[in-house]
Parts: sequence; C-alpha cells; structure tokens
Amino acid sequence: GNSVTQMEGPVTLSEEAFLTINCTYTATGYPSLFWYVQYPGEGLQLLLKATKADDKGSNKGFEATYRKETTSFHLEKGSVQVSDSAVYFCALRDRGSTLGRLYFGRGTQLTVWP
Amino acid sequence: KAGVTQTPRYLIKTRGQQVTLSCSPISGHRSVSWYQQTPGQGLQFLFEYFSETQRNKGNFPGRFSGRQFSNSRSEMNVSTLELGDSALYLCASSLGSGQGQETQYFGPGTRLLVL
Repeated sequence: GNSVTQMEGPVTLSEEAFLTINCTYTATGYPSLFWYVQYPGEGLQLLLKATKADDKGSNKGFEATYRKETTSFHLEKGSVQVSDSAVYFCALRDRGSTLGRLYFGRGTQLTVWP
Repeated sequence: KAGVTQTPRYLIKTRGQQVTLSCSPISGHRSVSWYQQTPGQGLQFLFEYFSETQRNKGNFPGRFSGRQFSNSRSEMNVSTLELGDSALYLCASSLGSGQGQETQYFGPGTRLLVL
C-alpha cells in the first residue's frame, strides 16, 4: 500500500541553523511527492513538490529531492528563520491512480528560536 | 485567483446533532477532497469528489457523507455527532487527477467542537 513516514518531532533549532526533516515513503505505483506546511490556526499550504525521480522541488529556501532508490524526500533548508516555525507534512499521491487522495506523514513540529 | 474557501471557520455543536460544512474550490478545479485532522490520528482522508461523483472514500462510518454540486462546490455532512468528531476539517481542491493536475490546494479548515 501507500504510506509516508516522517521523523518524529518536535525539532527545535536556533535561527540560521541547518534544517533536515526526513521523509520516506512506500508506494504501490509511481507517486508524486509533496511537502506541506501548517502554521498555527491555519490550513495546509503547499511548500514544494516533485513528480518524478531526481526532481528537486524548491521554494522559500526549502529544498527536497525525489530519491527513488532510497524512497525518500527529505526536506532541507540552509538557514532557518523564526518565521519558519510551523508543522511540516510530507505527502504522496499515487500518479498511477485516478483517485485523488493524498497520503500524509504524521507531521513534524519545527520551532526556531531567535 | 481566489483560494479554497471553507465555511464556517468555527463551529460548536452538541452530541447527537448534525452539521454541514461547505467548501468552495479554486475556480476551474473539479476535484474536491476532504480530510479530518486530529492530534491523535493526524490527517485522515474522508472522501474525494470529481464532477459531482464520489470517486474515493476513506475509512469513516456512514455518519460522514458528502456531495458535490455542478459548480464544483462541495459539502460534507456529519450526522449524530460524537465527541470524537471534534477536529479540524480540511477541504482541498485540484484541477483533476491527471498528470500535472494532481496538486491539491487546501482551505483554512473548519474547526468543529462537539460538546
């Protein structure tokens, strides 16, 4: 079946530190991969995506590379800011299916201190 | 282009009541999906609609139902509310499910509290 596993949080960093949030997946087909971010009291915002192997998604200084050989899509940022404090969700969607559901990880809470 | 909108944003109900939540997708998007988010279970898929047809359903009891209208707007209904239905209900829309159309964009959610 399809599933996503994220590293457990919470993650606490100082401003300008390097961030990595690990994400691995299991998929029956050939998935598209996503990172979403949720700020307190809000819905999910699409952060970045990748639709095929070796694609790199990037946005707002965040990057993630679709690694088919390791079934991973780790999120990275070179220098985090206080405003990056939020919950981050890794998700996949089976491109081989006409069904539109996303499979989510449990989320990783990130707190950045000044 | 306006994003996904959900109404109401907050709702308080008592056990046994029913509730209807509304979602207006991004203009031109024909697929609408619903998710329930709770601290204990995380994000769980409820159902997906495309062109007024339910295409996919998650593992929820029959008390949870939905529909989609010809303008792609969607509603979900929960009957006989239970305390455990307290959650953030998120709606997401996408163009469709084909290649290049599958990215889902989420609304702000409706926070439901059942007392």
